[in-house]
This record gives sequence, structure tokens and C-alpha cells, in this order.
Amino acid sequence: AQSVAQPEDQVNVAEGNPLTVKCTYSVSGNPYLFWYVQYPNRGLQFLLKYITGDNLVKGSYGFEAEFNKSQTSFHLKKPSALVSDSALYFCAVRGEDSSYKLIFGSGTRLLVRP
Amino acid sequence: NAGVTQTPKFQVLKTGQSMTLQCAQDMNHNSMYWYRQDPGMGLRLIYYSASEGTTDKGEVPNGYNVSRLNKREFSLRLESAAPSQTSVYFCASRKKDNTEAFFGQGTRLTVV
Repeated sequence: AQSVAQPEDQVNVAEGNPLTVKCTYSVSGNPYLFWYVQYPNRGLQFLLKYITGDNLVKGSYGFEAEFNKSQTSFHLKKPSALVSDSALYFCAVRGEDSSYKLIFGSGTRLLVRP
Repeated sequence: NAGVTQTPKFQVLKTGQSMTLQCAQDMNHNSMYWYRQDPGMGLRLIYYSASEGTTDKGEVPNGYNVSRLNKREFSLRLESAAPSQTSVYFCASRKKDNTEAFFGQGTRLTVV
């Protein structure tokens, strides 16, 4: 069965520094991968996705993610963090049998300190 | 645009009571989903509907039922609520398998 792992419960970074939020996946076949952000008391908002093509994907708010097939990873990155980036981030993978399942990781809380 | 609308936003139930969470989307999306969000566990898929007329179990379907009433609406029913079902419930929809999902604002359910 497909799965997503986000190994860090929380990531702390200073404003202006680069940030990385890690995600690894397990799925047979071609993975469709997604990143979402959740602000307090809100629903999830889409950031970016990898379906096919370039391994480096650019998304909203200056975020990007790198797909690495050999390491089965899809880490979220940003060159310069903002305090307003502080939120809960979720990685998700589509079901392996094209079943339209969309499975989420446990989430990583990003805290950007001024 | 309204997007994905969930009702109610908050609900308190007594153990054993039943209720239905409503979800509607106005984006003509084919697939719809129900998730629950619990601290430290992320979002877990309860049920989903790949298209109108079909529903399938997700990761944690026990204690829930769903109905895909039409293309717009996908409801989640708790027949006999239990304290373990205290959670925040999110509905989502998406057009195709390779497109992003859009989420509602959530329903915060407390079962006492």
C-alpha cells in the first residue's frame, strides 16, 4: 500500500535562512506527489505538485520541491524563509493503483523565528 | 467562488447520537474525499468517491458511512458517535487524478 513519511514533527529556522521540509514516499508505479500548507483553523491549501517532467518543481509563495526517484523523496524547500511561512505542511501521494486515493503524511510544523 | 463548503462548522454530540456532515463543491469536480485530522496523525482518509455513483473505503472507514448524492455533494454519516470520533473533519474535491485537491474549512466535532 502507498504511504508517506514526514520524519520531522517540527522544523525551526531563522527568518532569511533556507528551509527544507522532508518527505519520503512508498508507492508502486509512477508517483503523483503534492505539498499542502495549513494555517491555524483553516483548511489545506495547495502549494505544488510533481506529476512528470522536471524533478525541480516550483510552486506558490516561493516554495519549490525536488523529486528524487532513487531516494523516493520529495522535499519541500525555500531559499529564504519568512515568519509568515510558519504553518503546518503536509506531503501527499496519489494511490498506486490509480484509485484516486490521496494519502497524506503526518505533517511537519514549520516555525520561522524573526 | 464558494469552492468546497462544509456544514456544520462545529458540532458537539453525545455518545451514541448520529449525525451527517454535509459537503458540497461547485467546481464540477469528479472526485470527493472525507478526511479526519488528529494531532500527530496528519490527515487520514475515511472514504472517497472517485466519481459520481461510486464510493470506496479509505484508511479509517470504521464507524462511518458516506453517500455521493450527486456530482456536487458527498455526505459523511456517523450512525452512533463515539468519543474516538472526536476530530476535525475535512472534505476535499478534485477534478482529475493528477490535479490538486481543494479543501473545505473543516468541521470540528466533539463527542462527549
